[in-house]
Amino acid sequence: QKEVEQDPGPLSVPEGAIVSLNCTYSNSAFQYFMWYRQYSRKGPELLMYTYSSGNKEDGRFTAQVDKSSKYISLFIRDSQPSDSATYLCARVRYGGSQGNLIFGKGTKLSVKP
Amino acid sequence: DSGVTQTPKHLITATGQRVTLRCSPRSGDLSVYWYQQSLDQGLQFLIHYYNGEERAKGNILERFSAQQFPDLHSELNLSSLELGDSALYFCASSQNQEAKNIQYFGAGTRLSVL
Repeated sequence: QKEVEQDPGPLSVPEGAIVSLNCTYSNSAFQYFMWYRQYSRKGPELLMYTYSSGNKEDGRFTAQVDKSSKYISLFIRDSQPSDSATYLCARVRYGGSQGNLIFGKGTKLSVKP
Repeated sequence: DSGVTQTPKHLITATGQRVTLRCSPRSGDLSVYWYQQSLDQGLQFLIHYYNGEERAKGNILERFSAQQFPDLHSELNLSSLELGDSALYFCASSQNQEAKNIQYFGAGTRLSVL
């Protein structure tokens, strides 16, 4: 079982829609979770960073972690064509000083005007 | 702009050759991470250096090696290249080596092995 599973999509929505992107993970020891956004031919850029459980909101973006079901979600409200990108969920490898990220394969999102 | 600089942007080479990818971390960051991104495998961790020392290895082939220099820039060396090594290679940096530190990614080097 992969450590972080993510539906690759693609996901196509009309402008203004609410988008829900989801990941599941297998190791309950994980503590730090991130969402990165990657535009075509660019490097990933950090969108949201959460620790433990609960919701975190930043503008139109909300990250949610449900540790009981090992589920990570990213919600995008009032989606815009500029949100069209691949969204990668990641968790930090647990174990002291290692700190490398384990990524899902990414969900490609297209927001149509 | 993340502040992480990678050169070159594109690299085209032949099988069996050796290449070097370079990364300059953000000012003040001591940790450098290398990742490989391919269509089928996604973004995979290769290796982590902290202040010149290797800290962790991921799915890095023996043909690949890396180092971090005293000025903190890092190089990833890929040798005996194969067609399957064609991918995007990303470098990321963070302040130190703690698990909670945010990693900032460069724009990547696109390697094409023909």
